[in-house]
Parts: sequence; structure tokens; C-alpha cells
Amino acid sequence: AQKVTQAQTEISVVEKEDVTLDCVYETRDTTYYLFWYKQPPSGELVFLIRRNSFDEQNEISGRYSWNFQKSTSSFNFTITASQVVDSAVYFCALSDNRDDKIIFGKGTRLHILP
Amino acid sequence: DVKVTQSSRYLVKRTGEKVFLECVQDMDHENMFWYRQDPGLGLRLIYFSYDVKMKEKGDIPEGYSVSREKKERFSLILESASTNQTSMYLCASSIQGYEQYFGPGTRLTVT
Repeated sequence: AQKVTQAQTEISVVEKEDVTLDCVYETRDTTYYLFWYKQPPSGELVFLIRRNSFDEQNEISGRYSWNFQKSTSSFNFTITASQVVDSAVYFCALSDNRDDKIIFGKGTRLHILP
Repeated sequence: DVKVTQSSRYLVKRTGEKVFLECVQDMDHENMFWYRQDPGLGLRLIYFSYDVKMKEKGDIPEGYSVSREKKERFSLILESASTNQTSMYLCASSIQGYEQYFGPGTRLTVT
């Protein structure tokens, strides 16, 4: 069975600090996709990144970076020099190659304090 | 940009009423999904559809039905609303094999 675990329920950091959100996944499939979504207070889930299981290269997009390690089944998300606008709930998610359903983790609520 | 719209941001209904939640996407996506989101339970899939007139049950379909008569529109129906269906409802769409794009959500309160 597939599963996504986000062990950090809630994190608070002071603005400009770096913060890493952890994500551990379980799947028996060799082909799968990993995602991160952001849910700001407005409620709409915003897609951030999609990674397939064959691409372990780390990705950087501005202040955001993602570290995918198949050996530890982890797909962690780091925000560098955090800003108050980064305050949101962040979801890690997993999809297999059989259908297009996505399994979401429970989310990590991130508070960036001014 | 992909756009997914939902008919209402906030909705208040009475117990026993029939409730329609509408979702429209403008990117010709094959797949559409309905989730509910509750504190502590995360996102749970209610129903999804791979094509017009096709539907598949998700993890929690009880008490809900769906309709997809046109490719761009996916409706969630609460046949007889109950208080335990008070929740945030999120619609999403995707191209096969790719990420889902979400609408703004409908916060439904059943009294």
C-alpha cells in the first residue's frame, strides 16, 4: 500500500531562517511520482513540484529546493531565507503509474514569524 | 494558466437538503477529482472521473454521488445533506500522468 508521512505537524521559524519540511513515502512501485503542494490561508492548493521516480536530481527554484533520495524514500523540501508569505500548510504527495490518484500526507503547517 | 473554478466559496445548507457543488476546468483535462478536507484527517478522495460519463469511487464515497456530462464540468451531489458532511470540498483536474490542479474550495456548513 502507498503511504506518505509528514512527521512534522507544525513548525515555527523566524523570518529569514532556513526550514526543511520532511516527507517519507512508501510504495512497492518502481515508477511513481512525488509532489509538493502549498495551501495558504486562502485555502487553494497550489502545485509546487512534480518528480518522477527515475529522476533523483535535486531541484532548486528560487528560495525553494527539493531533495529526493530513493535510498531513504524521502522527498524533503527546504525553504531558504523564509518569508512571512511562506506561511502555509505544505503537503507532500505520491502517485503511482497505474492511475492518476494522488495520496496526500497529512501536511505540515509552517509559521514564519516576523 | 490552468483554471479550476468552484461554484461557491461558502455554502450553508440544512440537514436533508440536496446539495450540488459544481466544478469547472478550462484546460481540457481528462481527469477530475473531488476531495474533502477536514482537520486532522487531511485530504480524502470522494470520487474521480477519467472521462465524460465515467466515475470511480474514491476512499469515502458514501453519501455522495457525482455527475460528469461534459468534459469540463464535474458535479458533486449530496443527496441528503447531514451535519457530518460539513467540510471543505476541493475539486481538482489533471492531464493523465501529471499533477492535479485545484480549485479554491467550497466550505460547506450543514446545520
